[in-house]
Amino acid sequence: SQQGEEDPQALSIQEGENATMNCSYKTSINNLQWYRQNSGRGLVHLILIRSNEREKHSGRLRVTLDTSKKSSSLLITASRAADTASYFCATDESSGAGSYQLTFGKGTKLSVIP
Amino acid sequence: KAGVTQTPRYLIKTRGQQVTLSCSPISGHRSVSWYQQTPGQGLQFLFEYFSETQRNKGNFPGRFSGRQFSNSRSEMNVSTLELGDSALYLCASSLATGTGVFYGYTFGSGTRLTVV
Repeated sequence: SQQGEEDPQALSIQEGENATMNCSYKTSINNLQWYRQNSGRGLVHLILIRSNEREKHSGRLRVTLDTSKKSSSLLITASRAADTASYFCATDESSGAGSYQLTFGKGTKLSVIP
Repeated sequence: KAGVTQTPRYLIKTRGQQVTLSCSPISGHRSVSWYQQTPGQGLQFLFEYFSETQRNKGNFPGRFSGRQFSNSRSEMNVSTLELGDSALYLCASSLATGTGVFYGYTFGSGTRLTVV
């Protein structure tokens, strides 16, 4: 089942513009993460935000988390053509044995036009 | 340091055959998880291993199995392949310590399995 649902499904912007992607989820979480996937390749971990954090920055990335609304957003500032990829949010469900199982959304396909 | 290595990168198999995929985690990472990615279902959790023990399993039939060796390397096996098993299979390793703190995954480039 899909826990995180990204919005929009696809986004096309000009280089230099900001890109914002949103993610909604259904159940309580420990952490929320964002990953990037270039076409047909593996996932690259971008940022992890814990349930007691509200905002986190990493370079040109800014992630917010609103646990009351069960939503998160990923902002990429000053986008570059190399940012073209699919972006996924993932929430974790702890099995209680120290094991984490990630549930991914369907992803947002970002195209940055040079 | 070396990343997560998955072999082979591409694989074509016939329906009914079985297949074994391999994953070598980042040195020092003891947790290895497997995910299946298809256009229709997206990314779905298969199973997770820690110190040679399966700690968690997703909602997949028994044809999907895995194991982890003492050096943390992991294999997953799919028996009696079906057309619907065609997917990108991703392995991820994590610096899990068993204490419940999660540090995120490092994914491999995946094995693309095509069943014909």
